[in-house]
Amino acid sequence: GENVEQHPSTLSVQEGDSAVIKCTYSDSASNYFPWYKQELGKRPQLIIDIRSNVGEKKDQRIAVTLNKTAKHFSLHITETQPEDSAVYFCAASRGTGGGNKLTFGTGTQLKVEL
Amino acid sequence: GAVVSQHPSWVICKSGTSVKIECRSLDFQATTMFWYRQFPKQSLMLMATSNEGSKATYEQGVEKDKFLINHASLTLSTLTVTSAHPEDSSFYICSASDTDRARANYGYTFGSGTRLTVV
Repeated sequence: GENVEQHPSTLSVQEGDSAVIKCTYSDSASNYFPWYKQELGKRPQLIIDIRSNVGEKKDQRIAVTLNKTAKHFSLHITETQPEDSAVYFCAASRGTGGGNKLTFGTGTQLKVEL
Repeated sequence: GAVVSQHPSWVICKSGTSVKIECRSLDFQATTMFWYRQFPKQSLMLMATSNEGSKATYEQGVEKDKFLINHASLTLSTLTVTSAHPEDSSFYICSASDTDRARANYGYTFGSGTRLTVV
């Protein structure tokens, strides 16, 4: 089955700096790669996703890059703000819909310091 | 947008009793729903895939007789934790994706989670 590894487990940055979180996956058939932000006791919130037919996607301060050959994808947050502090999870699946299950990475605790 | 309602949001039960958690898709149909368990400071671990009208598919290491899943309609899946013990205390979250292929591109929708505490 799919195995998703995520690094780093914790990340502390100064407000305004950039944050980068990296993930690798093992299943070459995976083609959907979402990123979630989870606050304590809450459900995961989708912040951005990318499909295997593109290499990069950007939404304001958030961007995701995908390297299918190397089987890794990364989340980039620019101009970080204190409200970005949360746990971030990457995930991978063989596609949305149907019985395609989503496998999560181990998570990254991001702390944005003033 | 797609909404998944999960109840209860929290429950405390005595050791040895059973607890049922409901997951309902409010504005879309879901042939498949997923149940995750999340221990403190850990990731979401898939427990089982719930299939409408058929048996659930359990991940390795998850006891099917302990975690009973029923998916009787296209909008409702239930997870029953039977004979709960303190080690079952965790955050349980369901997830679903629209059965309609076009809307499935919206990705996975998560329930709000259930905090189970077994005392």
